Amino acid sequence: DAKTTQPNSMESNEEEPVHLPCNHSTISGTDYIHWYRQLPSQGPEYVIHGLTSNVNNRMASLAIAEDRKSSTLILHRATLRDAAVYYCILDDFGNEKLTFGTGTRLTIIP
Amino acid sequence: EAGVAQSPRYKIIEKRQSVAFWCNPISGHATLYWYQQILGQGPKLLIQFQNNGVVDDSQLPKDRFSAERLKGVDSTLKIQPAKLEDSAVYLCASSYPLNTEAFFGQGTRLTVV
Repeated sequence: DAKTTQPNSMESNEEEPVHLPCNHSTISGTDYIHWYRQLPSQGPEYVIHGLTSNVNNRMASLAIAEDRKSSTLILHRATLRDAAVYYCILDDFGNEKLTFGTGTRLTIIP
Repeated sequence: EAGVAQSPRYKIIEKRQSVAFWCNPISGHATLYWYQQILGQGPKLLIQFQNNGVVDDSQLPKDRFSAERLKGVDSTLKIQPAKLEDSAVYLCASSYPLNTEAFFGQGTRLTVV
């Protein structure tokens, strides 16, 4: 399985944008890029996914580098409720196997 | 839409005892996963079902862990006998086939003493 690399932790001020980076230099052409987040004492929840093009949904935006070797999850206006561990995951389409790393612990400063 | 239901939420057992966890996935979801999450780590996939067939159980410690999904709906995960290192949160998740969004339950926190 292709691996991802994320910073262990990040901090951001409330109401400011947050850019969470993910490196995946060994990504294959059929790997989708997924982001999940896990709030304290909760199971992970889906945030967004993409293949090649940038993606937007109500929760966040996903910016994918042209060579697909890195991606960035963008939270446009962080709130205290966005404090969580964010996981960047690669999944070979059809495999449906989500392999989690250690993720990035995001702290929001009021 | 009801979410993934898991029970119990918490369980404390002594080492060498047995324990079972139950999961009811979202209606219509053919794919079901069991994950183990040790404190401070990301979830680790134990087993993946497609309907009632096993797709991947390569990381399931088969000498002590077992899982079944009868009739392709509910699933149970059993540990027999438990060890101290089995203390973790056990997460169940489900998804439609070939759908990239998995839905997770709140998990069962197991403490082995």
